Amino acid sequence: AQSVSQHNHHVILSEAASLELGCNYSYGGTVNLFWYVQYPGQHLQLLLKYFSGDPLVKGIKGFEAEFIKSKFSFNLRKPSVQWSDTAEYFCAVNDYGQNFVFGPGTRLSVLP
Amino acid sequence: EAQVTQNPRYLITVTGKKLTVTCSQNMNHEYMSWYRQDPGLGLRQIYYSMNVEVTDKGDVPEGYKVSRKEKRNFPLILESPSPNQTSLYFCASSLSDRGPRVFGSGTRLTVV
Repeated sequence: AQSVSQHNHHVILSEAASLELGCNYSYGGTVNLFWYVQYPGQHLQLLLKYFSGDPLVKGIKGFEAEFIKSKFSFNLRKPSVQWSDTAEYFCAVNDYGQNFVFGPGTRLSVLP
Repeated sequence: EAQVTQNPRYLITVTGKKLTVTCSQNMNHEYMSWYRQDPGLGLRQIYYSMNVEVTDKGDVPEGYKVSRKEKRNFPLILESPSPNQTSLYFCASSLSDRGPRVFGSGTRLTVV
């Protein structure tokens, strides 16, 4: 079965630091990839998605992600985080079937 | 406004008392699904529906039922809730099974 792993359970950064959150998936075929953000007490919101084409994808709020097919990875990046980026981040993978699998999430705390 | 609406937002109930969590979307999406979110486990799919009258089990269907009599509605039914169903539940919809999910605001259920 498809599985998605996220490298860090909890990341703590100071404002203006750079962010990279790791995501790896297990499926070897064609996939669609997503990053979602969940602010405290809120529902999940889509940050960005990759379907095909340029493997470097830009999303909302200054986030970007890079799809590296050979590494089965889709890491999320932001050059300079803000306190308002404090949230939980979920990677998700859809393998063109009924499988839309979320990773366990990474909690990001940004210190002012 | 395009949205997925869940009700109620919070629910406390007793073991064995049947309950229904409603979900409605106004985007004419064909695909709808239910997830539960538990700490450290991310989101796990309970049931999904590809279209009206078409439903199927996700990863954790035990103890849950769904129905899809109309395109816009996808209620989640717990016939006999148990304390291990205490969780945060999200309904989601998308144009197709491959597309990004749009999430509702969540229902926090406590079964005592």
